[in-house]
Amino acid sequence: AQSVTQLDSQVPVFEEAPVELRCNYSSSVSVYLFWYVQYPNQGLQLLLKYLSGSTLVKGINGFEAEFNKSQTSFHLRKPSVHISDTAEYFCAVSAVSNSGYALNFGKGTSLLVTP
Amino acid sequence: NAGVTQTPKFQVLKTGQSMTLQCAQDMNHEYMSWYRQDPGMGLRLIHYSVGAGITDQGEVPNGYNVSRSTTEDFPLRLLSAAPSQTSVYFCASSQRGRYNSPLHFGNGTRLTVT
Repeated sequence: AQSVTQLDSQVPVFEEAPVELRCNYSSSVSVYLFWYVQYPNQGLQLLLKYLSGSTLVKGINGFEAEFNKSQTSFHLRKPSVHISDTAEYFCAVSAVSNSGYALNFGKGTSLLVTP
Repeated sequence: NAGVTQTPKFQVLKTGQSMTLQCAQDMNHEYMSWYRQDPGMGLRLIHYSVGAGITDQGEVPNGYNVSRSTTEDFPLRLLSAAPSQTSVYFCASSQRGRYNSPLHFGNGTRLTVT
């Protein structure tokens, strides 16, 4: 079974600084990787996804992530953050099971952007 | 577009009471699922369904029942609420077998059990 580890529970950063949110996964099969964002009092929405092909994936709001198979990582990056990026970020991995597929989430990283 | 609609948004129950959390989607998605979100625990899968008449257990199914009589609806039932079920519940849907299709989430139901 696949699992996801988000290495930082909280990441404080100043506005316009770069940020990296770390995610590692474990799986013995081909996986599909996702980053979701949750703004306060809302559901989750997709930031970006890796299915196959180029290991550098670009998403919404200027975020990007790099799939590194040898290190089983899928870190999320943004070169310059805004106050509005303050939110909870979840890394997720999916794999095929007999009944379809299930998406497993990490425990989340809280990004706090301050002026 | 409505997407995934969850009702109610907030609910307070006493221990032992029962209730149903409603979830409906209008995207003709075959796959639907329920997650609970607790501080420091991320999202944990409760139950999921890959189509009408088909349901399966996720990571934390105890204390919850589901059914899927239509493609659109996937209600979550708490038969006898316990304080440990205090949480925020999210319903999500996607196209079955389409691994490049992301989950679409509702806005959540915040449940408190006293």
